[in-house]
Amino acid sequence: EIVLTQSPGTLSLSPGETATLSCRASQSISSSYLAWYQQKPGQAPRLLIFGASSRATGIPDRFSGSGSGTDFTLTISRLEPEDFAVYYCQQYGSAPRMYTFGQGTKLEIK
Amino acid sequence: EVQVVESGGSVVRPGGSLRLSCAASGFTFDNDGMSWVRQAPGKGLEWVSGINWNDGSTGYADSVKGRFTISRDNAKNSLYLQMNSLRAEDTALYYCARDRLYYMDVWGKGTTVTVSS
Repeated sequence: EIVLTQSPGTLSLSPGETATLSCRASQSISSSYLAWYQQKPGQAPRLLIFGASSRATGIPDRFSGSGSGTDFTLTISRLEPEDFAVYYCQQYGSAPRMYTFGQGTKLEIK
Repeated sequence: EVQVVESGGSVVRPGGSLRLSCAASGFTFDNDGMSWVRQAPGKGLEWVSGINWNDGSTGYADSVKGRFTISRDNAKNSLYLQMNSLRAEDTALYYCARDRLYYMDVWGKGTTVTVSS
């Protein structure tokens, strides 16, 4: 079973700064299998990035994903107040339709 | 509007059973699938189960295998999760999500399951 480890656990930044969130897989995975979600308190998760680097519909270009193999990164440029939330990475496991999530990174206002 | 709406959450005693439902609208399933994802209070996301819409093949997390059963009704555009032998650790908010193979792009607001005596 592939384990996803996200770091840091909590990231404290100010609006306007750039956030860099890491997701490391315990073994190499296809970039097609890696997605990122944002979750705000009391809300359902929202898909941000799929295929490691493709933005979902309606996601601002301040959000970008990169990486391959075992190391993936979500970068949020020019942080807006509404960006402060918890972010999860997710990988697709084996058929049919099995998934694993990272433990999450909380992005908080400094 | 593309949406999914969960229902059926409740308070149930340990060892009891519950059936969750998810009604989908605004999209056709074709080659898509659907998944259930849960979130225990104050915790992260845990994928629970998924189903291919066309052939009905299913997958389960080890934590629920043998106790939960996922199913779908194509004619009703509905997804179900039959949960048996419930445990305290199954207490969570259960989300239904459209599964586009490799990622989930439409999520409901969730339905709450509490397992307590």
